[in-house]
Amino acid sequence: SQTIHQWPATLVQPVGSPLSLECTVEGTSNPNLYWYRQAAGRGLQLLFYSVGIGQISSEVPQNLSASRPQDRQFILSSKKLLLSDSGFYLCAWSAGTTTSPLHFGNGTRLTVT
Amino acid sequence: KQEVTQIPAALSVPEGENLVLNCSFTDSAIYNLQWFRQDPGKGLTSLLLIQSSQREQTSGRLNASLDKSSGRSTLYIAASQPGDSATYLCAVRLSNDYKLSFGAGTTVTVRA
Repeated sequence: SQTIHQWPATLVQPVGSPLSLECTVEGTSNPNLYWYRQAAGRGLQLLFYSVGIGQISSEVPQNLSASRPQDRQFILSSKKLLLSDSGFYLCAWSAGTTTSPLHFGNGTRLTVT
Repeated sequence: KQEVTQIPAALSVPEGENLVLNCSFTDSAIYNLQWFRQDPGKGLTSLLLIQSSQREQTSGRLNASLDKSSGRSTLYIAASQPGDSATYLCAVRLSNDYKLSFGAGTTVTVRA
C-alpha cells in the first residue's frame, strides 16, 4: 500500500531563517506531488505541484520554492522566511491520472517568529 | 476560475441525527469531486471520490451525490456520532487538470 511521510510535524523558525520541509511517498511510482498551505480559518491554497522529476509548477508568486530531486521526494524551501509564511503546510500525492484521488500527509505546522 | 463554496461554515447536531453537508462549484466541466475529513491539527483524510460520470458513491454510513448540471454535491452521514466531529472539505478537479480547487470546509460538532 502507498504511504506518504511528511516532516517535521511542527517547526518554529525566526524571521529571515531558511526553511526546508520534506515529503516522501512510498509504494508507488511517478506520482503527482503537491504542496498546499492552509492558513487559520481559510481554505487550502495550492503552492506547487509536480508531475515528474524536475518538473515544478508554481501557483502563487511568493517567498517559497519547491524541488523534486527524486521520483518520490518533494521538498519545500525558503531562503528567508517571512512572518506571513506561518501556516499549516500539507504535502499530497495522486497517481498519474486525472481520475485518481488525492492523498495527504499529516502536515507541518510552521510558526515564524 | 473554479469557485467552490461550502455552506454552512459550521454545524452542530445531536448524536444520532443525520448530517447533510453541501458543496457547490461554478464550473460544471469537472473530472471528479472528492470529499475529505480533517481533524484539528491533522492532515486531510479522503472519504469519497465521485467521478464525473457517477451520480453517487457510498462507504458505510457515508453517501455522496453529485449533480454536475447544477454544480452541487451533497455528503450525507447517517446516524451521526461524536467521532464524526471534524471539518469536512470538498474539492473538485477540472477536466484535464491535475489541480484541485477546495472549499473552505464545514466544521461539524456532534453533541453526545
